[in-house]
Amino acid sequence: AQSVSQHNHHVILSEAASLELGCNYSYGGTVNLFWYVQYPGQHLQLLLKYFSGDPLVKGIKGFEAEFIKSKFSFNLRKPSVQWSDTAEYFCAVSNAGNNRKLIWGLGTSLAVNP
Amino acid sequence: GAVVSQHPSRVICKSGTSVKIECRSLDFQATTMFWYRQFPKQSLMLMATSNEGSKATYEQGVEKDKFLINHASLTLSTLTVTSAHPEDSSFYICSAGGTGDQPQHFGDGTRLSIL
Repeated sequence: AQSVSQHNHHVILSEAASLELGCNYSYGGTVNLFWYVQYPGQHLQLLLKYFSGDPLVKGIKGFEAEFIKSKFSFNLRKPSVQWSDTAEYFCAVSNAGNNRKLIWGLGTSLAVNP
Repeated sequence: GAVVSQHPSRVICKSGTSVKIECRSLDFQATTMFWYRQFPKQSLMLMATSNEGSKATYEQGVEKDKFLINHASLTLSTLTVTSAHPEDSSFYICSAGGTGDQPQHFGDGTRLSIL
């Protein structure tokens, strides 16, 4: 069965620290990969996505993610976090060419201390 | 960018009440919308896929008669939780889009609390 695993459930960092959130998926076919962010009191927003091409994807607000096919991973990174990055981060996977049915990870709660 | 509006944002009501939640795509047409449920500390669970002009497709384990979905136009889908009980209390989120290379866009969610 398809599944998405996010390794870190809660992460606490100080400002300027580097961030890496792990995401691994289980799926036999070609996938599209997403990271969504949910800031407190707001709706889910797309941070970045990978469909094909360069496996290093750059998103909004300085985030990037790298798709490593051999490891079935799509880890999210940011070299220097800010207090405003405090949010819930979700990794999601879908069949390539059909983003309709998303399989979601449990999410990672990130708290950045000023 | 694309915007999905969800209303109401919060509902508190008595057990046995039916509650309707609206999901609108504001600047694009959505032949398909999705309804999710999110429990505390858990991932989003897809409940059903709402198809404009036809019946919704429900995920396994989701009661069709309990969660009525109507997608009467290309910009509006509604989810009605019928005869709601405390165990239906949850965070419900809708989304639209997801065709071709386009990602889904999400509403703000509705916090449903049944007393």
